[in-house]
Amino acid sequence: GIQVEQSPPDLILQEGANSTLRCNFSDSVNNLQWFHQNPWGQLINLFYIPSGTKQNGRLSATTVATERYSLLYISSSQTTDSGVYFCAVENYLQGAQKLVFGQGTRLTINP
Amino acid sequence: DAGVIQSPRHEVTEMGQEVTLRCKPISGHDYLFWYRQTMMRGLELLIYFNNNVPIDDSGMPEDRFSAKMPNASFSTLKIQPSEPRDSAVYFCASRHNRVQNEQYFGPGTRLTVT
Repeated sequence: GIQVEQSPPDLILQEGANSTLRCNFSDSVNNLQWFHQNPWGQLINLFYIPSGTKQNGRLSATTVATERYSLLYISSSQTTDSGVYFCAVENYLQGAQKLVFGQGTRLTINP
Repeated sequence: DAGVIQSPRHEVTEMGQEVTLRCKPISGHDYLFWYRQTMMRGLELLIYFNNNVPIDDSGMPEDRFSAKMPNASFSTLKIQPSEPRDSAVYFCASRHNRVQNEQYFGPGTRLTVT
């Protein structure tokens, strides 16, 4: 099945810093989502982005489907950005409706 | 909309007991998913339904696990008998068939089996 690798596994930054999180996937995808799991465990949708670029406030994401990677950018980090960021992908040929998750990037923003 | 609703939020039970987790999907969503999250295995799909019909249960770990969706607004995941290795956070998610392909997750149920 499709493999999803996220890097770095851990990232510790000071408030105000910028960060880039990466997601590599092993096959073509029909669906790619970025999630933020906050310290209370809630999985929050950030982006649905199988290709192209999207922005939402301080967050933006870019997926280059032909090169099989996606990037999540966080600018001017705040302590509330802390948590684990997951990339999840779906390939209809390998299992429609099956989101395959990466292992996540744990982001810690210190005040 | 209230989002995906799960209950209970926390469950502590003894080995051998039956556990029932509940989920109410977002109104109008055609797909419902059950996931399990553990430190060792991360987030993994257990089963999903389309229009209340189970489509793929290949992720269900063993016969002790069962899931039902008696109507469009309710689903259960049952573990009988429960074992300590079932301790995990169980998430329910839903998706609309004809709008964007995003899945929306509930808050999860943290299950501890002692």
